Amino acid sequence: GENVEQHPSTLSVQEGDSAVIKCTYSDSASNYFPWYKQELGKGPQLIIDIRSNVGEKKDQRIAVTLNKTAKHFSLHITETQPEDSAVYFCAASRGNNNDMRFGAGTRLTVKP
Amino acid sequence: DAGVIQSPRHEVTEMGQEVTLRCKPISGHDYLFWYRQTMMRGLELLIYFNNNVPIDDSGMPEDRFSAKMPNASFSTLKIQPSEPRDSAVYFCASSFYGAPGRAGELFFGEGSRLTVL
Repeated sequence: GENVEQHPSTLSVQEGDSAVIKCTYSDSASNYFPWYKQELGKGPQLIIDIRSNVGEKKDQRIAVTLNKTAKHFSLHITETQPEDSAVYFCAASRGNNNDMRFGAGTRLTVKP
Repeated sequence: DAGVIQSPRHEVTEMGQEVTLRCKPISGHDYLFWYRQTMMRGLELLIYFNNNVPIDDSGMPEDRFSAKMPNASFSTLKIQPSEPRDSAVYFCASSFYGAPGRAGELFFGEGSRLTVL
C-alpha cells in the first residue's frame, strides 16, 4: 500500500520568512496530493491540492510542487504569519478518498 | 452549512465502559469516513461508508469497534468495551464524489477526544 513520509516533524520560522515542508510517497499510481492544515482543537482543513497532470500550483502565499519521477511533493508558504502556525499534513491517493494516506504531520511555528 | 458535526467533543470514561461517538455529515455528501488520530500512528482511516453502506472496515482495530450509518445524516462509532489504548481523537469526515477516481476535499469535524482511564 501507499506509504507517505513527511519532513520535518517540527519547523520554526520567523514571521515573514518562508517555510517548506516535504513529502515522499511510494505508490507510483498515486495521482492526487492534498495538503491539510490542522489548528489546535480543530479538524484538518484542506488548504491546497495538486493532481498528477501538473507540476506546480499556487494560491496566494501557498504553493505546492510535485515531482512524479522522484515521487515527492512539497508545500511552500511564503511571507509566513503567526496565524500560519498549525500542524500540516500531506496526503497521497490514487484518486479515491478511501485510499488516501496521510503523512505524520509537521508542526509549524511562526514566531512574531 | 454548519459543517460536519461531532459529539461529544470530549469523553472521559473508565476501562470496560461502552463509548459511542456521533457524527452528522454535510448534507448532500455521499461518503463518510471515521479516522483516529494519535501521536504514535497519526491519522488512520478506520472505516468508510458510501451512501450509508459500509464499504471497507479493514482499518477497524478490533471487534470491540463497530460503526453504523442508519441514514444519510447520522453515523455512530461504538467501542465496547473500551480500553486505555483506545484513547485518541476520533474524526468524522464527509465528502462528495464528483466522479470515480476524482478524489475531492475531505471535510473534517472538530473531533471527539476520548480518554479511557
